[in-house]
Amino acid sequence: QVQLVESGGGAVQPGRSLRLSCAASGFSFRDYGMYWVRQTPGKGLEWVARIWYDGSNEDYADSVKGRFTISRDNSKNTLYLEMNSLRVEDTGVYYCARHPSAYDYFDCWGQGTLVTVSS
Amino acid sequence: EIVLTQSPGTLSLSPGERATLSCRASQTVSHNNLAWYQQKPGQAPSLLIYGASSRATGIPDRFSASGSGTDFSLTISRLEPEDFAMYYCQHYVSSPFTFGGGTKVEIK
Repeated sequence: QVQLVESGGGAVQPGRSLRLSCAASGFSFRDYGMYWVRQTPGKGLEWVARIWYDGSNEDYADSVKGRFTISRDNSKNTLYLEMNSLRVEDTGVYYCARHPSAYDYFDCWGQGTLVTVSS
Repeated sequence: EIVLTQSPGTLSLSPGERATLSCRASQTVSHNNLAWYQQKPGQAPSLLIYGASSRATGIPDRFSASGSGTDFSLTISRLEPEDFAMYYCQHYVSSPFTFGGGTKVEIK
């Protein structure tokens, strides 16, 4: 069945970095655009970044632009999120999510990985 | 940026009752590019509705949704015990693809 499994979350101090991964299975990963969506105490559900099915284009929320980088390896069926200069307000659960071609809603979500930024 | 406002914040109902949730947009949601999600405690959101009124695969027909322009609604015709959860709307007109703040449907 379609499955997305995130990993890489943890507790870090402000200013540090973290890399999240999302392993996809049960579908043709290379055919789907992918997102990172987070759920934070302050802002609720918030899309963070998206990447085209072939990695040719990326887009970021203003709140993370210049600090986060989304990437993918279609040969490994894996999505990544490199998070630099982390802030306290980045604390939350990070989900990877799949969107159907041409439409930016999310038809499959991972279980999430918790990121805690605190001194 | 389109701001989505959901109401009420909390809906207290009994199993078997009808639930009506509202999602209002700060500007027109073109092409009815609006989705609804259900989230249970400790779980990821899951897709219920897309295109403002189309049920996702496997979603029972007690869930229905409608609306256009700036006003949308989700109706659960007869609440089952497993329907008590958080519900979120999300537009996908253009970036940023924002979510509403959610409505909690709780057992009365």
